[in-house]
Amino acid sequence: SQQGEEDPQALSIQEGENATMNCSYKTSINNLQWYRQNSGRGLVHLILIRSNEREKHSGRLRVTLDTSKKSSSLLITASRAADTASYFCATEGANSKLTFGKGITLSVRP
Amino acid sequence: KAGVTQTPRYLIKTRGQQVTLSCSPISGHRSVSWYQQTPGQGLQFLFEYFSETQRNKGNFPGRFSGRQFSNSRSEMNVSTLELGDSALYLCASSLAGERDTQYFGPGTRLTVL
Repeated sequence: SQQGEEDPQALSIQEGENATMNCSYKTSINNLQWYRQNSGRGLVHLILIRSNEREKHSGRLRVTLDTSKKSSSLLITASRAADTASYFCATEGANSKLTFGKGITLSVRP
Repeated sequence: KAGVTQTPRYLIKTRGQQVTLSCSPISGHRSVSWYQQTPGQGLQFLFEYFSETQRNKGNFPGRFSGRQFSNSRSEMNVSTLELGDSALYLCASSLAGERDTQYFGPGTRLTVL
């Protein structure tokens, strides 16, 4: 079964707007990672946040982690058409394997 | 540094056949993990190899197997292919596996007819 559950399943926004995606999980984790996938290709690692961290930034990306609520959010600011892709959250548990959610389809309209 | 490479990129097989997929990790990475991605089940973990030993295994039948060589390159094998094995197979490498960022290859698209 999937550990991470992303919300919403699909998101459509205008270029320049911010996109917020959420992920919830069930069990304790070592870290949570966000990946991007373009049209059935390989996954690109975006950001990793460890269980003892609350917030992390990387360029236009901001990730938060709330371990008490077992949830994370990914914010993409000033979105671009090139951000159109599927986004996955993945949790790493005690056995070090990654468990992925079903993904969020983001469409950024030019 | 070259990224993770997977061969072949596309493969068409028929039911009952077997297939071998190959993954070359980033230089210096010792952990290789394999994932299956399908529209219905999403991304599912198959197994992880570290220093030629299988360290973790997902919930897949014994038809799915793998190995890792001394140069960290890895292969996965699927025997007696079924229609449901049609998927994108992704491999990912990391330095040591645990708590490390995993870097994914472009995947092998397997179609079983």
